[in-house]
Amino acid sequence: AQSVTQLGSHVSVSEGALVLLRCNYSSSVPPYLFWYVQYPNQGLQLLLKYTSAATLVKGINGFEAEFKKSETSFHLTKPSAHMSDAAEYFCAVSARGGGSYIPTFGRGTSLIVHP
Amino acid sequence: NAGVTQTPKFQVLKTGQSMTLQCAQDMNHEYMSWYRQDPGMGLRLIHYSVGAGITDQGEVPNGYNVSRSTTEDFPLRLLSAAPSQTSVYFCASSRDFRTDTQYFGPGTRLTVL
Repeated sequence: AQSVTQLGSHVSVSEGALVLLRCNYSSSVPPYLFWYVQYPNQGLQLLLKYTSAATLVKGINGFEAEFKKSETSFHLTKPSAHMSDAAEYFCAVSARGGGSYIPTFGRGTSLIVHP
Repeated sequence: NAGVTQTPKFQVLKTGQSMTLQCAQDMNHEYMSWYRQDPGMGLRLIHYSVGAGITDQGEVPNGYNVSRSTTEDFPLRLLSAAPSQTSVYFCASSRDFRTDTQYFGPGTRLTVL
C-alpha cells in the first residue's frame, strides 16, 4: 500500500523567510506525487505534481518540490514567504486499491506567516 | 467552464434525516470522488467512481451511498444523518486518479444536530 506522511501539523514562519513543508511517502512502485493548497473556506487546488519527468518540480506562486527517491521524500519549499501563502497544504499520492489507483492525502500542514 | 460545482454550500440536519449532496462537473472527466475533511484528519475518501455506472467504496463509506448515472453528476446520499457526519464535504474530478490533477469543488459544510 502507498501512503504519505506530512511532518508537522503547523509550520510558522516570518514573512520573507524560507518555507519548508515536509512530505514522505511509502511506495513499492514509482509514485506520482502531488501538493495541493487550500485557502480558507475554499476547495483544494494543485500547486505542483511529480510525474517522473524531472526530480525538481516548479509550481505556482514560487513553490517548488524535489523528489528524492533515496529519502522517499517530496518536500515543498519556497525561498521567501508571503502573507498570502498562509493556507493548508496537502501532499498526496495515488495508491493501488480495488484494481485502480486511489488518491491518498496526508493530514495536511497549516502554514502560518507572521509579519 | 464552471469546473466542479457543489450544492448546497451549507446544510444543517437533525439526527436521522436524509439528504443528497449534489456534485457536477463539465470537464468530461471519467473519475470522480467524494471526500470528507475533518480537523487534523486531512481528506478521507468516502466513495469514488471511475466512470458512469461504476462506483466503489473508499476509506470511510459507512452511512453514505452514491450512484453515477451520467459522466457529469455524482451525488452523495446520507441515509440517516448522525452527528459524526458533521464535516466539510468535497467532490473532485479528474481524467485519471494516478497521474492527473484532481479538480475540487468549493465544498459543502454539513452540521448534524
